Amino acid sequence: NAGVMQNPRHLVRRRGQEARLRCSPMKGHSHVYWYRQLPEEGLKFMVYLQKENIIDESGMPKERFSAEFPKEGPSILRIQQVVRGDSAAYFCASSPQTRELFFGEGSRLTVL
Amino acid sequence: AQTVTQSQPEMSVQEAETVTLSCTYDTSESDYYLFWYKQPPSRQMILVIRQEAYKQQNATENRFSVNFQKAAKSFSLKISDSQLGDAAMYFCALGIQGAQKLVFGQGTRLTINP
Repeated sequence: NAGVMQNPRHLVRRRGQEARLRCSPMKGHSHVYWYRQLPEEGLKFMVYLQKENIIDESGMPKERFSAEFPKEGPSILRIQQVVRGDSAAYFCASSPQTRELFFGEGSRLTVL
Repeated sequence: AQTVTQSQPEMSVQEAETVTLSCTYDTSESDYYLFWYKQPPSRQMILVIRQEAYKQQNATENRFSVNFQKAAKSFSLKISDSQLGDAAMYFCALGIQGAQKLVFGQGTRLTINP
């Protein structure tokens, strides 16, 4: 049973470019979450999605960040016009319900 | 607002000894979960142990156990018979409405001395 799959594992972008991070939840999981981890800090909640619905985006920056979880395909976290402060590890997690999260290995974004 | 505080940025322990990592939290919710996650150098987040707030009995998973003091809002992790593979960052997390939105502490870096 494959775990939560994230890609790319590492992504390098120049300031002003777009970053797209993908997450395929575990089989049978319909809840997807995105968290961000800045260097030497704990993870911070960004957004919670179910298929075709954003349930809670209270942790998402108001501008440049968006997330989706379409009916078919992976969940995507999109960051437009990246800045150096966006450099971080972005973790996706999934759950079959709301009791336990299973995390992916994270995507590390570096903005030059 | 929910907060989680880990007051020990770093801890070290001799192999085979016991170590306790501290965590305090604050929430006005009555129904919540508490978690300890391990993050090794590979950076993957691995669930170590989970505690439901309504359960009085402390959770145990093999060498890992917690001391859950609800009134004091304290949730410490005890690792017995420490092994080299236990070396990692350990994060305490509070989950409201199940685990929909976890609030993480700053982490404790645990070093195991051979």
